[in-house]
Amino acid sequence: DVKVTQSSRYLVKRTGEKVFLECVQDMDHENMFWYRQDPGLGLRLIYFSYDVKMKEKGDIPEGYSVSREKKERFSLILESASTNQTSMYLCASSRSSGRFYEQYFGPGTRLTVT
Amino acid sequence: QKEVEQDPGPLSVPEGAIVSLNCTYSNSAFQYFMWYRQYSRKGPELLMYTYSSGNKEDGRFTAQVDKSSKYISLFIRDSQPSDSATYLCAMSAAGGSEKLVFGKGMKLTVNP
Repeated sequence: DVKVTQSSRYLVKRTGEKVFLECVQDMDHENMFWYRQDPGLGLRLIYFSYDVKMKEKGDIPEGYSVSREKKERFSLILESASTNQTSMYLCASSRSSGRFYEQYFGPGTRLTVT
Repeated sequence: QKEVEQDPGPLSVPEGAIVSLNCTYSNSAFQYFMWYRQYSRKGPELLMYTYSSGNKEDGRFTAQVDKSSKYISLFIRDSQPSDSATYLCAMSAAGGSEKLVFGKGMKLTVNP
């Protein structure tokens, strides 16, 4: 059973803080993704990674960076948190071939920036 | 025009009703069409997928793709309270980037 875990379910940070969101998957998937989910806007892709140390910008990368030093771990970094980054953050992973369309999601981290 | 448009919700139906959820899209390159289900306070999970056009049935769920109209549907027969969730359509181009493009999602409530 594929499992994607995220480091925190709820997080409260102050404006200007550096924030790290961690994601780990246990199925040796090549692809990993970070999304944010907001009411009325749906799921929006922030960054994704096809392989270790590889990263690609998604649709809304501004204000975010990522790190993938190991295959199973993908981190999202908010360099200087702002109130408009208050959101639900979802991590996902998928295989690079075969059922690539099946993304496995973590439970999400609800981040509040005050 | 957005790449993927999903009918706005929310939708509330009585138990046993037939539910129809729909999405339209503009990108002709899309070949994979998925429906994800997201329960409250959980991440989305894949419910069904279809490659290219046609129908696919899985129990009470039927997914339909009409590529000529760029329109996809998910039908739920004999809906149950346990079907109450947000349903997201998602699409991907074959042989290209493995990014999925998601609809905004529709929240469905099935009332006992």
